[in-house]
Amino acid sequence: ETGVTQSPTHLIKTRGQQVTLRCSSQSGHNTVSWYQQALGQGPQFIFQYYREEENGRGNFPPRFSGLQFPNYSSELNVNALELDDSALYLCATTSGTGFRNEKLFFGSGTQLSVL
Amino acid sequence: GENVEQHPSTLSVQEGDSAVIKCTYSDSASNYFPWYKQELGKRPQLIIDIRSNVGEKKDQRIAVTLNKTAKHFSLHITETQPEDSAVYFCAANLNQAGTALIFGKGTTLSVSS
Repeated sequence: ETGVTQSPTHLIKTRGQQVTLRCSSQSGHNTVSWYQQALGQGPQFIFQYYREEENGRGNFPPRFSGLQFPNYSSELNVNALELDDSALYLCATTSGTGFRNEKLFFGSGTQLSVL
Repeated sequence: GENVEQHPSTLSVQEGDSAVIKCTYSDSASNYFPWYKQELGKRPQLIIDIRSNVGEKKDQRIAVTLNKTAKHFSLHITETQPEDSAVYFCAANLNQAGTALIFGKGTTLSVSS
C-alpha cells in the first residue's frame, strides 16, 4: 500500500452542489497533487500543493480549489458541480520537495457521480 | 498544450508472449517518464520509471526504453502472465511545476492463457 488514504470512496451529488474530498498521507509526504480521471481516460493534473501553498495548476477552472494542512492532509473542493465533473478523483503524494522528477504514489480515489 | 500519445489503445497477447506499448511526448523539457498499471477499480500503481539521463531501465520482466531525440519511450513486458492484464498508462512530467504529470490515454492489455 502507498500510505495515501482518501475519503469518501464514493459520493453522489447533484448539479450545482459543492463537494469536498479528503486525502491523508504518511508523515513526511509534504507534496500533494490531485488528479481527475474520467472513465476510460488517463488521470489529468488538477493542481499541486507544497508546504500548504499551491505551486502548480493544470487546465481546470477556479471552481476547483484546494487546501493542504500542516499534518500533510489535503482537501479538494469543487463548487457549482457540473455533470462532466463525474470522475474518479485521485490524490497523489511524494516525500520530496515539490520539485520535478519525483515518484508519485496514488490513493485509491474518490468516485464522484454528479446527477 | 503539452501532450502524451500512447499506442496501442488495446493489446491482446498469449501468455508467455512479449508486449510492447509506445508513447510519444511533446514537451522537450520533460525528463521523467513513469509507467503506471491500473487494475479495474483500483489505484494506478507505479511499476517503473526512467529519467532522461539513461536510455534503458529493466526490472525483472519489465523494461523501459527512452529516445530523447525522437521524444518517445516504450514499455516492454516479457513472458507475460494473466496477472499482467490491466490498463497501462505512460506519463511525462510537465515543465510548469513540481510533480505534475501528463498521462497518455492508456493501453488495455489482455493476456490469455
